Amino acid sequence: QKEVEQDPGPLSVPEGAIVSLNCTYSNSAFQYFMWYRQYSRKGPELLMYTYSSGNKEDGRFTAQVDKSSKYISLFIRDSQPSDSATYLCAMTSNDMRFGAGTRLTVKP
Amino acid sequence: NAGVTQTPKFQVLKTGQSMTLQCAQDMNHEYMSWYRQDPGMGLRLIHYSVGAGITDQGEVPNGYNVSRSTTEDFPLRLLSAAPSQTSVYFCASNDGAASFEAFFGQGTRLTVV
Repeated sequence: QKEVEQDPGPLSVPEGAIVSLNCTYSNSAFQYFMWYRQYSRKGPELLMYTYSSGNKEDGRFTAQVDKSSKYISLFIRDSQPSDSATYLCAMTSNDMRFGAGTRLTVKP
Repeated sequence: NAGVTQTPKFQVLKTGQSMTLQCAQDMNHEYMSWYRQDPGMGLRLIHYSVGAGITDQGEVPNGYNVSRSTTEDFPLRLLSAAPSQTSVYFCASNDGAASFEAFFGQGTRLTVV
């Protein structure tokens, strides 16, 4: 079993839709929970992070962490074609572990 | 500010050849790491370093060597390339091992034939 599980998709939605991306994990030692965004043929870039359980909002993006269920989510409101990318969840304890990444396409 | 620089961007190797992927960062980060990215597998940690002279293995270290003689540089060596090492390789640096923000290079696309 992988430490971090993420459905690779692909996921295709119309412009303006609400997008929900999710990951589950098995290591209860993880402390920081991150979402990275990766455009085609580029390196990943940090989008949002959350420490421990709770919600964090940044514009159209909301990250949620439920440590009791070992489940994290990223919500994108009013999705735009520019949001089309691969979204990777990541978590840290002594080092950083990534999910498989979900490829998202937002169609105009 | 260049951030993390990887060279080369593309490489084709024959089975059995060796090569070194270069990685340099100019942010004075102590923690550096190498990942490989394969379809459906996400980023998998190959090796990492918590400072000059200190390296350790990640999830998938077999077939790769690293060394860290300076804070800035963290090269990855493929000893005897195999087709299973065909992948996209990313180098990253963090401001500390438990830092939540990793800065990635642009990647090296390696094909082993």
